Amino acid sequence: QKEVEQNSGPLSVPEGAIASLNCTYSDRGSQSFFWYRQYSGKSPELIMFIYSNGDKEDGRFTAQLNKASQYVSLLIRDSQPSDSATYLCAVRGGNFNKFYFGSGTKLNVKP
Amino acid sequence: DGGITQSPKYLFRKEGQNVTLSCEQNLNHDAMYWYRQDPGQGLRLIYYSQIVNDFQKGDIAEGYSVSREKKESFPLTVTSAQKNPTAFYLCASSIGQVGNNEQFFGPGTRLTVL
Repeated sequence: QKEVEQNSGPLSVPEGAIASLNCTYSDRGSQSFFWYRQYSGKSPELIMFIYSNGDKEDGRFTAQLNKASQYVSLLIRDSQPSDSATYLCAVRGGNFNKFYFGSGTKLNVKP
Repeated sequence: DGGITQSPKYLFRKEGQNVTLSCEQNLNHDAMYWYRQDPGQGLRLIYYSQIVNDFQKGDIAEGYSVSREKKESFPLTVTSAQKNPTAFYLCASSIGQVGNNEQFFGPGTRLTVL
């Protein structure tokens, strides 16, 4: 079993819609959770992090964490074509400095 | 301008050759990491270092070596023992063990074996 699982997609949504990206993780001792966006040929850039159960909002982005279900999600409101990228979920495990990455979900936002 | 730099951006290696990828950070971060990314794949951890003069193997360390002689530098050597080294290599850093801290990435080095 992989440490972090994501649906590879592609997830296609029309411009202006809400995109919902999901991630599950296996280590119950995981401390913190991150979403990175990666454009083709580029390195990942951090867009959101969440440490506590519940929702965290930052602009058009909302991260949701449910530690009991070992589930973290990212909602993108008013999706734009520029949001088209691969979104990587990352989890920091009990070993504080070891991060586990999912394989990413490719998002296509159609104009 | 704070950040992580990697060089070169593109690197070509002949069979049987060792090559070294550079990673430098001026963020004063204690922890540094090397990942490998293959097309359509996620990131796989090669090596990480939590402090100067100390490093640990990640999930795919075979055929790679690292050093951490300075806080700001964490070079990765891809040796001839690495059978399939063509990939996108990413260096990252984070503050360290204190608190919940994120990783920041350099721009990457794309290695191709000729």
